[in-house]
Amino acid sequence: DTEVTQTPKHLVMGMTNKKSLKCEQHMGHRAMYWYKQKAKKPPELMFVYSYEKLSINESVPSRFSPECPNSSLLNLHLHALQPEDSALYLCASSQEAGTANYGYTFGSGTRLTVV
Amino acid sequence: AQSVTQLGSHVSVSEGALVLLRCNYSSSVPPYLFWYVQYPNQGLQLLLKYTSAATLVKGINGFEAEFKKSETSFHLTKPSAHMSDAAEYFCAVSPLGYSTLTFGKGTMLLVSP
Repeated sequence: DTEVTQTPKHLVMGMTNKKSLKCEQHMGHRAMYWYKQKAKKPPELMFVYSYEKLSINESVPSRFSPECPNSSLLNLHLHALQPEDSALYLCASSQEAGTANYGYTFGSGTRLTVV
Repeated sequence: AQSVTQLGSHVSVSEGALVLLRCNYSSSVPPYLFWYVQYPNQGLQLLLKYTSAATLVKGINGFEAEFKKSETSFHLTKPSAHMSDAAEYFCAVSPLGYSTLTFGKGTMLLVSP
């Protein structure tokens, strides 16, 4: 298995809703990432998990809450989002923590629309 | 913080023509460098990477890139464009000792028949 699987592929939520994005990899990768990508823009780093521990939080608002229940799974919990949070949310994993030597494997993303 | 600059937000080529997408990095110490491709409504796929080994790097789908320290560049090339190469291309940098990637603004490659 050489894939990163993200679910759901599309999500529409209201500003008062609570939802979660899921990301799964079975490659034994030790680092996992959440990126946010607005239309016509490059991906921007949100969170980094190394060995299931949060190692980087790029000053992301608290309405985004990451969770890493085990080495294969990464969640992003969403609560009280704003319309400007609408974007493509990408999950990625890399073989080693502490180096990008091997590059990242990206999932196909969750297209989030906040109404 | 290290960054990469991609010259040209759009590049147009004819099918069969040479593809050249430009990327320059800002660092006194050569970092790790990557090229990714993104098709519409999809994630990013790694094309190739430079990690301090050979300066001429060959990737998937016939792409290659040459690391030039003197020019702080890592331009992506392909001898002959295919219609299927039409996509957004991102250059990315990672400082040594870190696992994070920082992406350039991207270059949209348009291929005409």
